[in-house]
Amino acid sequence: AQKVTQAQTEISVVEKEDVTLDCVYETRDTTYYLFWYKQPPSGELVFLIRRNSFDEQNEISGRYSWNFQKSTSSFNFTITASQVVDSAVYFCALSALGDSWGKFQFGAGTQVVVTP
Amino acid sequence: DTEVTQTPKHLVMGMTNKKSLKCEQHMGHRAMYWYKQKAKKPPELMFVYSYEKLSINESVPSRFSPECPNSSLLNLHLHALQPEDSALYLCASSSFVGGAVETQYFGPGTRLLVL
Repeated sequence: AQKVTQAQTEISVVEKEDVTLDCVYETRDTTYYLFWYKQPPSGELVFLIRRNSFDEQNEISGRYSWNFQKSTSSFNFTITASQVVDSAVYFCALSALGDSWGKFQFGAGTQVVVTP
Repeated sequence: DTEVTQTPKHLVMGMTNKKSLKCEQHMGHRAMYWYKQKAKKPPELMFVYSYEKLSINESVPSRFSPECPNSSLLNLHLHALQPEDSALYLCASSSFVGGAVETQYFGPGTRLLVL
């Protein structure tokens, strides 16, 4: 069975601080995909990044960076120099080759609150 | 701009009403999904249409009925809902790669209130 754990329920920071969101996953499949989504108060889930299990390269996109470590089954997300617009719920998700009918396993989500 | 659209954005309905939620995607994807999301929870998968074949989450009550008229359209028919069905309903689409799901792209959602 697949499982995604986001242990941080809520993180509050002041603008310009860095914030790191943790994501730990469990799967027995050797081929799988990991995702991060952002959900602002408007409700739409916005895709941020996808990583497959064979690509452990870290990635940076603007103020966002991701650290994928298979050895610790973690896929952490860092926002550098946070801004008020980063306030949202962030979900980590897993999809594995063995899953039936394309199911995503979502973590519980981490609420990020950025205050001016 | 999202390429998955949903209508309506908001819906208020009584427990005896029949209504439908609509979703359309313009990305050529062959898989479409309905999710239900309660406040402060992750989305829960309700239905998947993959190449127009339906897969169901067995825990979804029969008062929810999906329909896929073609590969770019997805409807969710609602009948005799209960107040606990009030939630954000999200539509998504994706392609499939070797059995594992590619990125799911979500629509803006319909906020449903059942009175």
